[in-house]
Amino acid sequence: DTAVSQTPKYLVTQMGNDKSIKCEQNLGHDTMYWYKQDSKKFLKIMFSYNNKELIINETVPNRFSPKSPDKAHLNLHINSLELGDSAVYFCASSQPGGTGGSSSPLHFGNGTRLTVT
Amino acid sequence: KNQVEQSPQSLIILEGKNCTLQCNYTVSPFSNLRWYKQDTGRGPVSLTIMTFSENTKSNGRYTATLDADTKQSSLHITASQLSDSASYICVVGNQFYFGTGTSLTVIP
Repeated sequence: DTAVSQTPKYLVTQMGNDKSIKCEQNLGHDTMYWYKQDSKKFLKIMFSYNNKELIINETVPNRFSPKSPDKAHLNLHINSLELGDSAVYFCASSQPGGTGGSSSPLHFGNGTRLTVT
Repeated sequence: KNQVEQSPQSLIILEGKNCTLQCNYTVSPFSNLRWYKQDTGRGPVSLTIMTFSENTKSNGRYTATLDADTKQSSLHITASQLSDSASYICVVGNQFYFGTGTSLTVIP
């Protein structure tokens, strides 16, 4: 029944490796997101994506790339992992509101803790 | 610049006591403000949402207030419980500008 699920929950890997984190939502939302939460617990947007538009936070290295096989999935691929990539990554989804209306709340997965050694 | 600042950064209170968390924002245009609760090891979960015309919204022991003129919001927690220990995040607008969060610890 989990609305937004992401796997794996924990990921430990060595520098230089390439890894992926998967995300699926069963809420029928049009927009999905990836956030990075640093050691100070601040959530920073990395990408937002719907079937029309990918918006990339310009501070995100191009080693990070989102891949969406369909509306319910948004996977995160990371190439050439670096020590500084260690963080908790959250997937989320929402349904944009109509003109002037509020979007639905963000629904988050439970995060993937990535540790790069 | 669109910013959301929260205070205090962290807070420790005794079980059963009340507390108030603050959120100041400069997001423009304003559409809505949400408070989220993030338990350790979990993703944030929405507690309340307020639009421009609302100045208070309750969800059980959680009451959020909004002053759109001064661009301030508060989250008041009544009769705190150990399970209230979490991070509380203020998020403003449909573009989801995140605050810096307040870490609340409720001790027995």
